[in-house]
Amino acid sequence: AQKVTQAQTEISVVEKEDVTLDCVYETRDTTYYLFWYKQPPSGELVFLIRRNSFDEQNEISGRYSWNFQKSTSSFNFTITASQVVDSAVYFCALSEVPIQGAQKLVFGQGTRLTINP
Amino acid sequence: NAGVMQNPRHLVRRRGQEARLRCSPMKGHSHVYWYRQLPEEGLKFMVYLQKENIIDESGMPKERFSAEFPKEGPSILRIQQVVRGDSAAYFCASSPKTYTGELFFGEGSRLTVL
Repeated sequence: AQKVTQAQTEISVVEKEDVTLDCVYETRDTTYYLFWYKQPPSGELVFLIRRNSFDEQNEISGRYSWNFQKSTSSFNFTITASQVVDSAVYFCALSEVPIQGAQKLVFGQGTRLTINP
Repeated sequence: NAGVMQNPRHLVRRRGQEARLRCSPMKGHSHVYWYRQLPEEGLKFMVYLQKENIIDESGMPKERFSAEFPKEGPSILRIQQVVRGDSAAYFCASSPKTYTGELFFGEGSRLTVL
């Protein structure tokens, strides 16, 4: 069975600090996909990144970066120079390679990030 | 450039009533997923549908819940005889027929059962 664990329930930092959100996953599949989504206070889900299991290169997008380490089954997310607008709940998710187009995501419990001015 | 549209955004029902949640996928998308987010929890898969077909309903509660995606019109998630434990945010996501790796989520429908 697939499982995603986000051990940090809540994180609170002061603006401009760097913050890392941890994500550890379990799967028996050799090919799978990992995702991060942001859920701001307004409630919608915003897609941030998708990474497949064959691509272990770290990725950077502006102030966001992701560290995928297959050896430790982790897919951590770092926000550099955090801003108040980064305050949200962040979800890590895992999916197997879809069969017949079915892509079922398994979500972690989420990490509530609060950036204080 | 409409995204996934869900309505109503907020719905209040009394115990025993029925709740109907609607989802219009993005233009050109023929696959719809429903996820449920209980308070303070992550999202959990409920059902996956293509037009006129339920492909995978392994996450749907066995009773009171049903989903459809008719040839014309939005996908409907129907909850009969609601109970307080059904209070949650229900998210719809859509994807195109050809897998692209991203699920596009709607803004969610928040059901409150009094």
